[in-house]
Amino acid sequence: EAQVTQNPRYLITVTGKKLTVTCSQNMNHEYMSWYRQDPGLGLRQIYYSMNVEVTDKGDVPEGYKVSRKEKRNFPLILESPSPNQTSLYFCASSLNPQAHLTYERYFGPGTRLTVT
Amino acid sequence: AQTVTQSQPEMSVQEAETVTLSCTYDTSESDYYLFWYKQPPSRQMILVIRQEAYKQQNATENRFSVNFQKAAKSFSLKISDSQLGDAAMYFCAYRNMNYGGSQGNLIFGKGTKLSVKP
Repeated sequence: EAQVTQNPRYLITVTGKKLTVTCSQNMNHEYMSWYRQDPGLGLRQIYYSMNVEVTDKGDVPEGYKVSRKEKRNFPLILESPSPNQTSLYFCASSLNPQAHLTYERYFGPGTRLTVT
Repeated sequence: AQTVTQSQPEMSVQEAETVTLSCTYDTSESDYYLFWYKQPPSRQMILVIRQEAYKQQNATENRFSVNFQKAAKSFSLKISDSQLGDAAMYFCAYRNMNYGGSQGNLIFGKGTKLSVKP
């Protein structure tokens, strides 16, 4: 079954305590991305990766890091979380977006993060 | 920069009736995708329907259809024979077709919350 998995699904943490949210896909997709969802703002892209070892900033990258050492995994790292990073986070994947007819077909189930 | 606007924060429909959700967008590109995603209370983002801008024919997926007006930059979603399971937040989204990187990411509207009354 084609899927994108995220862990953890729920996380409550304190300001400044480093955390990692994992994302994994089993479809051999080249492109992976992270979005955050906030009430009244829709979803906004944080970081994306075109392929292994190729990552770049999206629209709201401040306070986040990513890595792409393997094709299937794309973890989101918060080195020093702050309360304004309390949000719902989604990972998504697709084939190479420069290929015709490709788009974010699959989203992970979401990770609800609360930073106190 | 592209933008997506959903002017209806909330909508309500009677079960078995038809409802239309509105979406407008702004772009200078000629080749792009438009999408409607559904987010039920489970929070999972589910692709409902997709439209390629170069296609004149409106996309249809079972009870879901779109009215794509390229010149007017309008992309509405019609849900026919509404069911209780259709209750969700619906997001309209835009993506450039032939770009990678940040120009190829999804641009979302702020969403419309649809309630279905039994």
